[in-house]
Amino acid sequence: GAGVSQSPSNKVTEKGKDVELRCDPISGHTALYWYRQSLGQGLEFLIYFQGNSAPDKSGLPSDRFSAERTGGSVSTLTIQRTQQEDSAVYLCASSLFSEAEAFFGQGTRLTVV
Amino acid sequence: QKEVEQNSGPLSVPEGAIASLNCTYSDRGSQSFFWYRQYSGKSPELIMSIYSNGDKEDGRFTAQLNKASQYVSLLIRDSQPSDSATYLCAARRGGTSYGKLTFGQGTILTVHP
Repeated sequence: GAGVSQSPSNKVTEKGKDVELRCDPISGHTALYWYRQSLGQGLEFLIYFQGNSAPDKSGLPSDRFSAERTGGSVSTLTIQRTQQEDSAVYLCASSLFSEAEAFFGQGTRLTVV
Repeated sequence: QKEVEQNSGPLSVPEGAIASLNCTYSDRGSQSFFWYRQYSGKSPELIMSIYSNGDKEDGRFTAQLNKASQYVSLLIRDSQPSDSATYLCAARRGGTSYGKLTFGQGTILTVHP
């Protein structure tokens, strides 16, 4: 596609439910990143993929968070047993390779009620 | 000490003036640097990348890098009200294992007519 695509754009879920957020990177981009941004806050790094591997997952806040990437393309971020503090905008970005410029998708706004 | 620090702002400049945004980083292994613009409620948009010491110009924007001083800046000439946004500085170490972008907290810029 022309840009990084994330789905859904908005997700409202009940506390305790599991959610899956999807990221479709720019075609051919080998590196993929997940960040989250709480209201009025900066970008918090979650995980970085190079191909299907995750050399850096240091930002995942707890074991309720996991992510995978298949076929060197689409990535899914899964949050289990959601909590209210998980409410944020989850942003995905991709770059052609690990040193190249990264481009962001439009984000998924997650609200846990 | 934060890994990437930006001048706290907010920064207010009159239309037509030069806006100067500054950023320092602590990791001497950082190799590449990026400036993003983020409008309220939107995802970050890449403005400039810079990899070598010196200046890089693109239209009204000039990025400056000084690795010895661990300092990056962004100058916006002939500022327009449409430049009003949060500007994010990011640094990356580079290499397959170190692809993560580390962001500063952002500087809010307001350009008033």
